[in-house]
Formats: sequence, C-alpha cells, structure tokens
Amino acid sequence: GDSVTQMEGPVTLSEEAFLTINCTYTATGYPSLFWYVQYPGEGLQLLLKATKADDKGSNKGFEATYRKETTSFHLEKGSVQVSDSAVYFCALSKAGGTSYGKLTFGQGTILTVHP
Amino acid sequence: DADVTQTPRNRITKTGKRIMLECSQTKGHDRMYWYRQDPGLGLRLIYYSFDVKDINKGEISDGYSVSRQAQAKFSLSLESAIPNQTALYFCATSTGQAVTGELFFGEGSRLTVL
Repeated sequence: GDSVTQMEGPVTLSEEAFLTINCTYTATGYPSLFWYVQYPGEGLQLLLKATKADDKGSNKGFEATYRKETTSFHLEKGSVQVSDSAVYFCALSKAGGTSYGKLTFGQGTILTVHP
Repeated sequence: DADVTQTPRNRITKTGKRIMLECSQTKGHDRMYWYRQDPGLGLRLIYYSFDVKDINKGEISDGYSVSRQAQAKFSLSLESAIPNQTALYFCATSTGQAVTGELFFGEGSRLTVL
C-alpha cells in the first residue's frame, strides 16, 4: 500500500538556520504531495502542495519539489524563525475516483527553533 | 468561530464506557473524515464520508463507528472504550472536487481512556 516516510525528529535549530525535512513516498501512479503544519494546540493546516512531477510548492518561505525519480518531497526553508516551531507532516493523496481527499500521512517531524 | 468544530476538546473516561466525539463544519464541504493521531505514527484514517448517505471504513476502523447526521455533522463513537484508544482525534473536511486533496482540520479532541 501507499506510505510516507519522514526523517526522524525532533529537529532543533537556531533562528536563521537552514531547514531541511526529508520526505519519501511509496505509491503507485501519480499521487499529489502535501506538507501540513501543526502549531501547538491547533489542528493541521496545509502549508504547501504539488500535484505533478517537478512541481514546486511554496508558502511562507517554505519550498518543496516533487521529485518522481527519487520519490521525494523534501521541505526546505532558508532561514527559520522561532514562530516556525511546530510539527510538520508530509502526506500524499492518490489521484482518481474516490481516492481524492484521503491522505496518507508520514509520522510527523517536530521542529523547535531557538532564538 | 472555527470552520470545523470538535466537541469535546478533552475527555477522560474509563475502560468500557461509550464515548461520542462530535464534529460540525460550516465550510459547506461534502466530504468529512475522522483521523487518529498517535506520537510517532502520524495520522491514520478511521472513517470517511463523501456525502450523507456514504460511509466508508478507513485503515483503523475496528472499535469505532460513525454517524453522518447531516452534511455538516459527522460523529465518531467508541462503543466500549479501551486504553489503546487513548489518542488525539481530528475531524477534517474537503471539497468533492478533483485534484486538490486539501483537508481542513478541526482543533482536535484529546481522549484519555483509563
């Protein structure tokens, strides 16, 4: 079945450091890929997405590129802020029929940014 | 007010008790979902509903049941709660349109089963 694997956390960085959170997936066909973020005490919210190979999703300084050849969708940010401290989830959604909207999530990566 | 509202936000109960978690939404979406979040496991799909007359099991439906009372309401029940159902539960909604796959989440219901 479909699966998503994220790098082990937690990740601790100093403010203005470069961030990479690795995500790889296993799926047949051509899934859509997502990064969701969960701030403390809140539900998940969509951070960015990519729906086909080589697409780059971006939002709030975060970027991720859909790499079909390596089945990856790594999240990056050039300079993190304390306010970026959260749990980040990589997810996929299979294309076609009733699969739309059913997401398969990775295990989540906790990011803590210190001043 | 939140677009996706879950009640209760926190609940502590005992083994064997029946528990209902409720979800209501004002987004007008047809599709609603219940996910469970456990540390280190991410979110796993319990049940989903693509319209009022459509209910489907997710990957971990055993021990749970759901009811779609209206387009805007989707309840999750634990008929006889057990300790390994202690988790954070999220309701989510989405449109019925193709491609996007974006879900809109409630703030979660933390359930502790003693």
